Amino acid sequence: NAGVTQTPKFQVLKTGQSMTLQCAQDMNHNSMYWYRQDPGMGLRLIYYSASEGTTDKGEVPNGYNVSRLNKREFSLRLESAAPSQTSVYFCASIHPGRLNTGELFFGEGSRLTVL
Amino acid sequence: SQQGEEDPQALSIQEGENATMNCSYKTSINNLQWYRQNSGRGLVHLILIRSNEREKHSGRLRVTLDTSKKSSSLLITASRAADTASYFCATVRMDSSYKLIFGSGTRLLVRP
Repeated sequence: NAGVTQTPKFQVLKTGQSMTLQCAQDMNHNSMYWYRQDPGMGLRLIYYSASEGTTDKGEVPNGYNVSRLNKREFSLRLESAAPSQTSVYFCASIHPGRLNTGELFFGEGSRLTVL
Repeated sequence: SQQGEEDPQALSIQEGENATMNCSYKTSINNLQWYRQNSGRGLVHLILIRSNEREKHSGRLRVTLDTSKKSSSLLITASRAADTASYFCATVRMDSSYKLIFGSGTRLLVRP
């Protein structure tokens, strides 16, 4: 039982390049999230998916796209990377039965640098 | 803008002392949660308090919620060096699906 797994853990891109961050959870959770964390800024919600087949924008969606491929996987795509997207990206998930306890499970993060 | 804002931004205390962190938010909430993040790691859920609750305890953690002031506090009693981490509050709004909006966090250093 791996929990929430993110790949890659580290990535360096040049401005204008594209890439996809992958996230998978093996806990049969319905809802999945993508956050970014910048120094001193806390976490900001990029996109989330309440259930398979649905996605919705969060606080900072510009420059990103997402795909909820199936119940397990939720990917985040940068179509044309910009230096402002240098950040640590976290994927998280929650089981609907856990909504009353509020326990989001987080991956270990993907550290992206855009030059 | 972010829903929750913590203060202080950084806190340094001696082992054995209590640590208090505060969180303020702007809109009506369904619940408020506290998470912990060790350096370079993902976040770990600590405790949740619902909008109709005023205080909650879990081990050495005590959380209070004042909905009239739109604020919450996290108290860690008898701190240990292992409590060194960043602590974040997160809110779930009344009018949204289950989206957690995080504050900017408090960095806690517990000196041995």
